[in-house]
Amino acid sequence: GAVVSQHPSRVICKSGTSVKIECRSLDFQATTMFWYRQFPKKSLMLMATSNEGSKATYEQGVEKDKFLINHASLTLSTLTVTSAHPEDSSFYICSARKPKREGAYEQYFGPGTRLTVT
Amino acid sequence: LAKTTQPISMDSYEGQEVNITCSHNNIATNDYITWYQQFPSQGPRFIIQGYKTKVTNEVASLFIPADRKSSTLSLPRVSLSDTAVYYCLVGLYDYKLSFGAGTTVTVRA
Repeated sequence: GAVVSQHPSRVICKSGTSVKIECRSLDFQATTMFWYRQFPKKSLMLMATSNEGSKATYEQGVEKDKFLINHASLTLSTLTVTSAHPEDSSFYICSARKPKREGAYEQYFGPGTRLTVT
Repeated sequence: LAKTTQPISMDSYEGQEVNITCSHNNIATNDYITWYQQFPSQGPRFIIQGYKTKVTNEVASLFIPADRKSSTLSLPRVSLSDTAVYYCLVGLYDYKLSFGAGTTVTVRA
């Protein structure tokens, strides 16, 4: 397998403030990482695709100015929730794409970050 | 993105084999089939990936018929700790994985 970490695992912030979440691939290089959001008892929703050295690609309905993504290196992508509001409270999960020898890819997920906005 | 359909829930008992079938009628030629397991408040964990026929690893087997329009994840001799949500995903070059509702597997003693 492969290891993807997220930091912090849990964060509480006040409404109007910004929060940064880090996603790291620990034992492989990931040119592409993904950010998902998951509400209670719901499935994962893809928010954006993070590409190393270029701008992120956002899914329809996801505000790029609110959810800032930076993929500064082959092992680190960050998601910043700007001017957070209570409705942004959710479980945020990142994943990193790892190439396989046969040409396919595997995606490995981080443990998730629980964001609570008060 | 190929859409997948899988049962919403399945119940089983410890020691039994659990088979979850996923339908993906619109699978593309280059698509792989990947299964993930998710526990509450954790990120999904990669279980197995395959393209055709049968793939087996230390935790599961994946059976894919010749037409690849479906796949079956087989979990041998489940235990209570296998209670989780299992997701079937299809994709590769269109690598944006789209998660469906998943199958909630409940293992009882």
